[in-house]
Amino acid sequence: AQKITQTQPGMFVQEKEAVTLDCTYDTSDQSYGLFWYKQPSSGEMIFLIYQGSYDEQNATEGRYSLNFQKARKSANLVISASQLGDSAMYFCAMSSPFSGGYNKLIFGAGTRLAVHP
Amino acid sequence: ETGVTQTPRHLVMGMTNKKSLKCEQHLGHNAMYWYKQSAKKPLELMFVYNFKEQTENNSVPSRFSPECPNSSHLFLHLHTLQPEDSALYLCASSQDPVSDGVLQYFGAGTRLSVL
Repeated sequence: AQKITQTQPGMFVQEKEAVTLDCTYDTSDQSYGLFWYKQPSSGEMIFLIYQGSYDEQNATEGRYSLNFQKARKSANLVISASQLGDSAMYFCAMSSPFSGGYNKLIFGAGTRLAVHP
Repeated sequence: ETGVTQTPRHLVMGMTNKKSLKCEQHLGHNAMYWYKQSAKKPLELMFVYNFKEQTENNSVPSRFSPECPNSSHLFLHLHTLQPEDSALYLCASSQDPVSDGVLQYFGAGTRLSVL
């Protein structure tokens, strides 16, 4: 069964430092997508970055990069130059097929990141 | 502003009440989703609608009743809920639910408390 594991319930980082949030996944599918979302205290899930399983290059979006290691089934999020506004919950998710040829997102339990000044 | 609006943002209801959650997307998407986010649990997919047709019901109790009158609007009708149904209910939309890389855009959620 498809599963996403985020082993870090909480992380602390100093402002302007880099931080890595861990994500491992389990799937038997050959084609899948990996996503990271940010959820501030307001509740909204904000898309950060996407990596396709066949993409050879690691995805980058501004200060966000995804360290994709397919053989290890890991998709860690790296945030460079942390800012106070980065304090939030971060969720790793994977697209997974369900009935009728559609895909759904399976989410991990999340990591709460606190950025200290 | 993500283009997905949920109302109300907060809702407190008794177990015998009937209420509805509303979601509206302004992105021209064809698929809409309801998720439940309980404390200390991963997001759980509840329902998926594609072109107004329900394509997924993830074993959700019948006290939750979705309605999708058109591709832009999605409702979740609630009746005789239990305290364990207290959670953040998130709505999302996407262009289509087929592609591996399909991006879902989320609303800010409705925080529901059942007394």
